[in-house]
Amino acid sequence: EAQVTQNPRYLITVTGKKLTVTCSQNMNHEYMSWYRQDPGLGLRQIYYSMNVEVTDKGDVPEGYKVSRKEKRNFPLILESPSPNQTSLYFCASSLSGQSIYEQYFGPGTRLTVT
Amino acid sequence: AQSVSQHNHHVILSEAASLELGCNYSYGGTVNLFWYVQYPGQHLQLLLKYFSGDPLVKGIKGFEAEFIKSKFSFNLRKPSVQWSDTAEYFCAVTPSSNTGKLIFGQGTTLQVKP
Repeated sequence: EAQVTQNPRYLITVTGKKLTVTCSQNMNHEYMSWYRQDPGLGLRQIYYSMNVEVTDKGDVPEGYKVSRKEKRNFPLILESPSPNQTSLYFCASSLSGQSIYEQYFGPGTRLTVT
Repeated sequence: AQSVSQHNHHVILSEAASLELGCNYSYGGTVNLFWYVQYPGQHLQLLLKYFSGDPLVKGIKGFEAEFIKSKFSFNLRKPSVQWSDTAEYFCAVTPSSNTGKLIFGQGTTLQVKP
């Protein structure tokens, strides 16, 4: 089954404790992206990757890191989480080429930083 | 800066009523346009997309949207809503000049009363 998986689905952590949210897709998509969803703000793009070893900042990259060593995986790293990073996070993937096409979204990771 | 604006934040309709959700974007160049839907407890999924050609596009579940270039708009419509259409709807834009960026609107929560 074609899908984007994220782990963990729920996470409660404390300020400053490094964490990684994993994202994996099985559709051989070149493009992957991370978003955060906050009430009244919609989805905002954090980072995206057009292909392996190619990453770029979205609209809200501060406090986040990513890496794309393999085509199927795109982990999101919070080196020192803060309470303002409490949010619902989505990973997505897509074919690319002239432009990204239909994005397939993961189930989301709800992160709470206390 | 590029942005997407959804004018209606919360819409309440009775079943069989007609629906139109507004979406305007600010970008002077060529764009690709999307509507995504998030049903309660489910992943974001693509409702419909516009890349080029006929500005009236049809999506799943009886939804359609019209791209009006002169108005920078991509409004979503459905002639007769059902209770199962209760969800959050997001308009999104990809500027063709920056193919990795996907910019979302704030979202519109639609509540359909049976």
